[in-house]
Amino acid sequence: GESVGLHLPTLSVQEGDNSIINCAYSNSASDYFIWYKQESGKGPQFIIDIRSNMDKRQGQRVTVLLNKTVKHLSLQIAATQPGDSAVYFCAEAPGGSQGNLIFGKGTKLSVKP
Amino acid sequence: KAGVTQTPRYLIKTRGQQVTLSCSPISGHRSVSWYQQTPGQGLQFLFEYFSETQRNKGNFPGRFSGRQFSNSRSEMNVSTLELGDSALYLCASSGGTSKGNTIYFGEGSWLTVV
Repeated sequence: GESVGLHLPTLSVQEGDNSIINCAYSNSASDYFIWYKQESGKGPQFIIDIRSNMDKRQGQRVTVLLNKTVKHLSLQIAATQPGDSAVYFCAEAPGGSQGNLIFGKGTKLSVKP
Repeated sequence: KAGVTQTPRYLIKTRGQQVTLSCSPISGHRSVSWYQQTPGQGLQFLFEYFSETQRNKGNFPGRFSGRQFSNSRSEMNVSTLELGDSALYLCASSGGTSKGNTIYFGEGSWLTVV
């Protein structure tokens, strides 16, 4: 498939290291945030989400941190693997459960074996 | 449980033509939303349908339209295609009725306008 998201910020990490991907969101009214992973030629894949009444949420090898004061979101991936190589997008939902997400520009994660 | 299904996966159209893309949401999901993804603009929200009604709309011209059927399946249409409409068109579905409903994406339809 074609590549989308050219000229993205790139994060290059060694296999086994931890990765941290950052995102600034725009709307103070947003109360739901999602991280997606997109591999080449595929649609965005849900990773983890967090509501605005939380500041941290953990999943399997992933943690999302939310700082509402500075409107900042981060995704931490523990023990990064080659299969984690992809473009990562944060998305904010000003409408809560409604489907009108606002996406960040994306970060390309490259994992070196 | 089947995921979000989009058809066709790839298509090529000529400037001035129109195109219709189809999306079948995850079973039980009532919200379907559409996004355009390009290298320059990233992922941009087009519109969202819930129970056959357009609930939200992004900042796209009127050439972009959509609809949702009683079985929650959705179609989007782009009329009078322009070269700049070449993009990956993504459909997403969710339950859409309570806060924090997870939004799942399909694999997209790659549209090339020549």
